[in-house]
Amino acid sequence: ETGVTQTPRHLVMGMTNKKSLKCEQHLGHNAMYWYKQSAKKPLELMFVYNFKEQTENNSVPSRFSPECPNSSHLFLHLHTLQPEDSALYLCASSQAASYNSPLHFGNGTRLTVT
Amino acid sequence: QQQVKQSPQSLIVQKGGISIINCAYENTAFDYFPWYQQFPGKGPALLIAIRPDVSEKKEGRFTISFNKSAKQFSLHIMDSQPGDSATYFCAATTGKLIFGQGTTLQVKP
Repeated sequence: ETGVTQTPRHLVMGMTNKKSLKCEQHLGHNAMYWYKQSAKKPLELMFVYNFKEQTENNSVPSRFSPECPNSSHLFLHLHTLQPEDSALYLCASSQAASYNSPLHFGNGTRLTVT
Repeated sequence: QQQVKQSPQSLIVQKGGISIINCAYENTAFDYFPWYQQFPGKGPALLIAIRPDVSEKKEGRFTISFNKSAKQFSLHIMDSQPGDSATYFCAATTGKLIFGQGTTLQVKP
């Protein structure tokens, strides 16, 4: 496989459930990101990891918990979510966590919170 | 101001026409301006990018025009094709990438 792979593609969960989103990149990149994409809104940066270390948490509620065990894998653990958290969650990677290093996105996980 | 304002929200163009998407910013510290293209069911992908020291960058049918004094930049798609139908995001950064709201382009055959 090449590029950035996200699983699952679709997820429906209740407000009391716990689930996890998975992202894997096969590009040899050192930085990984979680973005939230809601309809008619700009992409919102959630978290940044650089060489497995979290370098940015963009004021994300604690019901979202990221984990980066190595430079190739990134998880987003979800618990007690709210309906307004329904969105497309995109994972991305880049060679370096620098501003002009192009982002390579996965195809996202469509999350619906009921 | 960290916002990037993008317009229009949606755009319909006939095949062979020119598609124009505009973006404006306030933060003069921004020094890198990429455009991303997103097809339905896919993640965004880098299309073209420009730095503020040039006024125009062209890659095939895609051109970025940059007006530093007006703090505006735009994407022009020449000879638009149905395969160009996608959502386009402008962005700006000096460290953290700030995205515009996106423009959904439909090119009619």
